Amino acid sequence: GESVGLHLPTLSVQEGDNSIINCAYSNSASDYFIWYKQESGKGPQFIIDIRSNMDKRQGQRVTVLLNKTVKHLSLQIAATQPGDSAVYFCAEILYSGGYQKVTFGTGTKLQVIP
Amino acid sequence: DAGVIQSPRHEVTEMGQEVTLRCKPISGHDYLFWYRQTMMRGLELLIYFNNNVPIDDSGMPEDRFSAKMPNASFSTLKIQPSEPRDSAVYFCASRKIINSPLHFGNGTRLTVT
Repeated sequence: GESVGLHLPTLSVQEGDNSIINCAYSNSASDYFIWYKQESGKGPQFIIDIRSNMDKRQGQRVTVLLNKTVKHLSLQIAATQPGDSAVYFCAEILYSGGYQKVTFGTGTKLQVIP
Repeated sequence: DAGVIQSPRHEVTEMGQEVTLRCKPISGHDYLFWYRQTMMRGLELLIYFNNNVPIDDSGMPEDRFSAKMPNASFSTLKIQPSEPRDSAVYFCASRKIINSPLHFGNGTRLTVT
């Protein structure tokens, strides 16, 4: 079946450095993508989203890049802080035949070293 | 905005018992989702509703699982009878319209012994 996968299960970065979390998706028809952050004991929290007609979107300290040619999504976090330590998920949304399918990646754990 | 509210936060039960998980979506959100999260499978969609009507329940594991949404502000996920392999964190999420982010509750951690 189709799935969304992450290249790196764990990423360790020094506080203040930039972080890049990657995600590969398999369905070229997907038209909406979301990054979520999940802290221990909590539900996933929305960070940023991007539609398939865009290739870049910026938020506060975060940037999402979409490369449809290679079906790749990335989340860049500038000046990583200890509070950024969490598991990050990408999600791929596909609409087909009146149904919507949201598929989450397996997650990448980001560890920020003080 | 109180966010998506789930109860209970933790549930420990014995195999064979009935378990009911509850969810109150964000007011005004037309879509409600139930997800299950485990280390092995990650986040799996179980079922979602639009305007209280189940749209896709293909992710529901088996007949032991059932979900209802009697009104726009309440949904339940029931497991009867429960089994140890049902142990997981169950999340409810809601959203207002298509192509908008899901808002998740903090989940119910279910342990079946």
